[in-house]
Amino acid sequence: AQTVTQSQPEMSVQEAETVTLSCTYDTSESDYYLFWYKQPPSRQMILVIRQEAYKQQNATENRFSVNFQKAAKSFSLKISDSQLGDAAMYFCAYRKNYGGSQGNLIFGKGTKLSVKP
Amino acid sequence: DTEVTQTPKHLVMGMTNKKSLKCEQHMGHRAMYWYKQKAKKPPELMFVYSYEKLSINESVPSRFSPECPNSSLLNLHLHALQPEDSALYLCASSQQGRAWETQYFGPGTRLLVL
Repeated sequence: AQTVTQSQPEMSVQEAETVTLSCTYDTSESDYYLFWYKQPPSRQMILVIRQEAYKQQNATENRFSVNFQKAAKSFSLKISDSQLGDAAMYFCAYRKNYGGSQGNLIFGKGTKLSVKP
Repeated sequence: DTEVTQTPKHLVMGMTNKKSLKCEQHMGHRAMYWYKQKAKKPPELMFVYSYEKLSINESVPSRFSPECPNSSLLNLHLHALQPEDSALYLCASSQQGRAWETQYFGPGTRLLVL
């Protein structure tokens, strides 16, 4: 069975600094997708960034980037120039690609990020 | 419009009550999901509807009954719930349910079972 592990229950960063959230996963599959979702307090969960397993290039979205190490099964999220609005619970998630059809989105336990002004 | 709406926002019910949660999206998505999220835990998938047909049921107790009346609406009917069912119930949708798609989440219904 696939599992997703986030080893940092809580992290803290100073505004404008950089922080990296860790995620490892376990799978025997080769075709899958990895995601980081953000859940701000009392607000909707939104997608931050997505990585396709067969792409070696790390995904980036503005201040958010990932370090995807497929052999090590590691998928960390780097947030640059942290802003107060980045404070949230961050979930790493995995989804197997069943040839285009659906598979379950498997979440890690989450990392609560605090941003200090 | 990338919004998924859920009603009600909060719900308190007794163990003998029957209630329903409602979820709506107007993005033309054909896959819709129900998740259960306990405090300080990740969401757990309950059901998936694909093109208005139930495609995944994650061994959810029968006191939870999903319904997809049309492509925009998803309901979750609740009956004879237990206190341990108290949680945040999240609805999500995606274009066709494929692995790479973004899931758009609603704000959730916070349910308390007394």
